[in-house]
Amino acid sequence: EVQLVESGGGLVQPGGSLRLSCVASGFSFSSYWMHWVRQAPGKGLVWVSLIKNEGITTNYADSVKGRFTISRDNAKNTVYLQMNGLRAEDTAMYYCAKTSAGVFGIWGQGTMVTVSS
Amino acid sequence: QSALTQPASVSGSPGQSISISCTGTSSDIGAYNYAAWYQQHPGKAPKVMIYEVSNRPSGVSNRFSGSKSGNTASLTISGLQAEDEADYYCSSYTTSTSWVFGGGTKLTVL
Repeated sequence: EVQLVESGGGLVQPGGSLRLSCVASGFSFSSYWMHWVRQAPGKGLVWVSLIKNEGITTNYADSVKGRFTISRDNAKNTVYLQMNGLRAEDTAMYYCAKTSAGVFGIWGQGTMVTVSS
Repeated sequence: QSALTQPASVSGSPGQSISISCTGTSSDIGAYNYAAWYQQHPGKAPKVMIYEVSNRPSGVSNRFSGSKSGNTASLTISGLQAEDEADYYCSSYTTSTSWVFGGGTKLTVL
């Protein structure tokens, strides 16, 4: 079964850090670009970051550039999102997703991040 | 990185057809045939309904169809059913090697 399982969310104070993980199974992980997409409570989907299959090329939304770092370990079928300098506006469900042919074809169930004092 | 523009809400009666528009720019929807549509029910992860403008993944009803003209993509749902009530999002790959989503459209089946 093709699956993405996120973990690492939780409650963190403003300015704090969290590291999200997403473990993939059921497909050739090292062949695909991987992404993080977030959704604030009651709001829409927002693309956050991508990492290409080779693990070197990355890109970020302007709102997180310089604060978030995406990485992957193809040997562990895992993609990470290191989030530093967290702000209240980063509060959201964070989804891991895989793209192929320009479409987010597989999504995880999400992990909730709450930034609050 | 401005969001694609979708209507906030649409509604229709069972059996009717509705369309949802998604307007972008020449840097996203207009640049590639990578417009896609996602359905999201409350508390669930999004599910792709249309990819590459007009292609349906295996298992998605043929009541769902997509098209594109210039910088605007459209999703049409024919023969509306109660289970189609959900939020719908468009997305597109961009010339900045990034992705952009629409703000979402809430579909109500009356």
